Amino acid sequence: KNQVEQSPQSLIILEGKNCTLQCNYTVSPFSNLRWYKQDTGRGPVSLTIMTFSENTKSNGRYTATLDADTKQSSLHITASQLSDSASYICVVSDRGSTLGRLYFGRGTQLTVWP
Amino acid sequence: EADIYQTPRYLVIGTGKKITLECSQTMGHDKMYWYQQDPGMELHLIHYSYGVNSTEKGDLSSESTVSRIRTEHFPLTLESARPSHTSQYLCASSVETSGFETQYFGPGTRLLVL
Repeated sequence: KNQVEQSPQSLIILEGKNCTLQCNYTVSPFSNLRWYKQDTGRGPVSLTIMTFSENTKSNGRYTATLDADTKQSSLHITASQLSDSASYICVVSDRGSTLGRLYFGRGTQLTVWP
Repeated sequence: EADIYQTPRYLVIGTGKKITLECSQTMGHDKMYWYQQDPGMELHLIHYSYGVNSTEKGDLSSESTVSRIRTEHFPLTLESARPSHTSQYLCASSVETSGFETQYFGPGTRLLVL
């Protein structure tokens, strides 16, 4: 069964600290993995996309890593800000095109305290 | 900011009522989706469309129906709302860029059925 598991389920950190969120998947075949940020009451917004051949990709203070051999990905947030408080969702696609199927994790709820 | 809109944003309605959740996008995307999302849970695909006059059921069994008469419009209808339909409903559209599908989500409709 294709699955996407995220950990931790929730995380509280102080403003300015770093944190790392984890995503393990069993989806096969694998095309790409995206990290989304979903603010409360909003729809998810894509942060990064990574393919099989990519190990690291950054988007500002967000850095995603991918180990396609172990089927693990992480999202590292540097120097957290209050606005980083959101749910972070890992999504794996089995095909790059719009014919592909998307597998969603349950997300990690991050809360940044002042 | 994605040009995809959902109305209403919040809806409280009694059991047995017929409701239509509106979704429209101005990006000219062919593929559109409806997802159901409960707190702390992954997004579940309930309907999708490849284009005008195309509608498909998703992974999650749903008593809702959809239509796609125009590219920009993808409404979801519940003929008889029940408390079990209480959830957040997210609409999305997607485009294939450089071989990868990118989804753009609307802000969601939070539905409460009493």
